[in-house]
Amino acid sequence: AQTVTQSQPEMSVQEAETVTLSCTYDTSESDYYLFWYKQPPSRQMILVIRQEAYKQQNATENRFSVNFQKAAKSFSLKISDSQLGDAAMYFCAYRSTSGTYKYIFGTGTRLKVLA
Amino acid sequence: GAVVSQHPSWVICKSGTSVKIECRSLDFQATTMFWYRQFPKQSLMLMATSNEGSKATYEQGVEKDKFLINHASLTLSTLTVTSAHPEDSSFYICSARPGGAVGGTQYFGPGTRLLVL
Repeated sequence: AQTVTQSQPEMSVQEAETVTLSCTYDTSESDYYLFWYKQPPSRQMILVIRQEAYKQQNATENRFSVNFQKAAKSFSLKISDSQLGDAAMYFCAYRSTSGTYKYIFGTGTRLKVLA
Repeated sequence: GAVVSQHPSWVICKSGTSVKIECRSLDFQATTMFWYRQFPKQSLMLMATSNEGSKATYEQGVEKDKFLINHASLTLSTLTVTSAHPEDSSFYICSARPGGAVGGTQYFGPGTRLLVL
């Protein structure tokens, strides 16, 4: 069975600085999808970025980028030029390309942004 | 695009009553919908997966008779908490997957906070 691990329960970053959130996963599959979701205090889950495992190029969305290391089964999220609005819980998720399309979530990392 | 709504956003009920939560995909047809439960400061716990017109698939440990899920159309799924008790108090979140969605991306509703007195 697949597992997703986020080893950093909480991280802090100074406004305008860069922070990296870690995510590792375990799977025997070769094709899958990985996601980062943000959950602000409103508790609305917001898709931050998505990566297809078959793509070697790291996904990027404005200030958000990932470092996808397939062999190491690592999927870290880098937030550049951090803003106060980035403060939230961040969840890493894995989805198989087969089966029920359900996500496997990590335990989350709480990001604090310091003014 | 890809907006999911939930209703109600907040509900308080007495122990022993049933509560229905609606999840709607507003601008797309949802082949699959998911129901999650989230305790404070914890991750999302998948309760069940539902496909339109078929029975929901429940995760291990989730009581199907207590948490009734109906996915009657491609835009609506409902979760009914039957004979609710205080331990059912939680934050319930639904998500929906558009048919043919790239990467099977799920779009989440804003959640429903349930308090059982």
